[in-house]
Amino acid sequence: DTAVSQTPKYLVTQMGNDKSIKCEQNLGHDTMYWYKQDSKKFLKIMFSYNNKELIINETVPNRFSPKSPDKAHLNLHINSLELGDSAVYFCASSQGLGGTQYFGPGTRLLVL
Amino acid sequence: GENVGLHLPTLSVQEGDNSIINCAYSNSASDYFIWYKQESGKGPQFIIDIRSNMDKRQGQRVTVLLNKTVKHLSLQIAATQPGDSAVYFCAESGGATNKLIFGTGTLLAVQP
Repeated sequence: DTAVSQTPKYLVTQMGNDKSIKCEQNLGHDTMYWYKQDSKKFLKIMFSYNNKELIINETVPNRFSPKSPDKAHLNLHINSLELGDSAVYFCASSQGLGGTQYFGPGTRLLVL
Repeated sequence: GENVGLHLPTLSVQEGDNSIINCAYSNSASDYFIWYKQESGKGPQFIIDIRSNMDKRQGQRVTVLLNKTVKHLSLQIAATQPGDSAVYFCAESGGATNKLIFGTGTLLAVQP
């Protein structure tokens, strides 16, 4: 009964490749988020979607493109991966923009 | 684990003692504050929240205190247990998008 799930858990890839991370929530929430956590554990929001509409886009490079096919899913596609993209990416969801955010287990991305 | 080698502020306590983790937030317009716990290899887990119209809120073994005058938030954990060992993050939000801004995190190490 995982509330917020992400796939894959680990992703190791070469520079220049394109990859996708998927997120699904079964909480019935209408708002989903992507966060990036760097090697110093600093956690920063990248995007948020409310009812499939983009609400927050935190000056993330154009190489990152979120897609929300429905309210329960928010995927993250990354083009032309760079070394600096190596991090842990967390998906989260909430009911409404002001609701408590619940996080997924994270996807550990390593770009070589 | 993932926390080895990190240079986060660290609080080391004996099992059974009370812990106090402090956080200074930046935006005086923030009106919602949350504490998250992140265990090694996992996503942040919601612990407790407080709105700006309150200065104290209690949960099970945890208490959050908010001092808006000095923009300070604290998390008190009573009778700390080994399972409380984790990185603790405070987060603030406010404004139309309710974007969550996370603090740098404090590593709580509980000695048996």
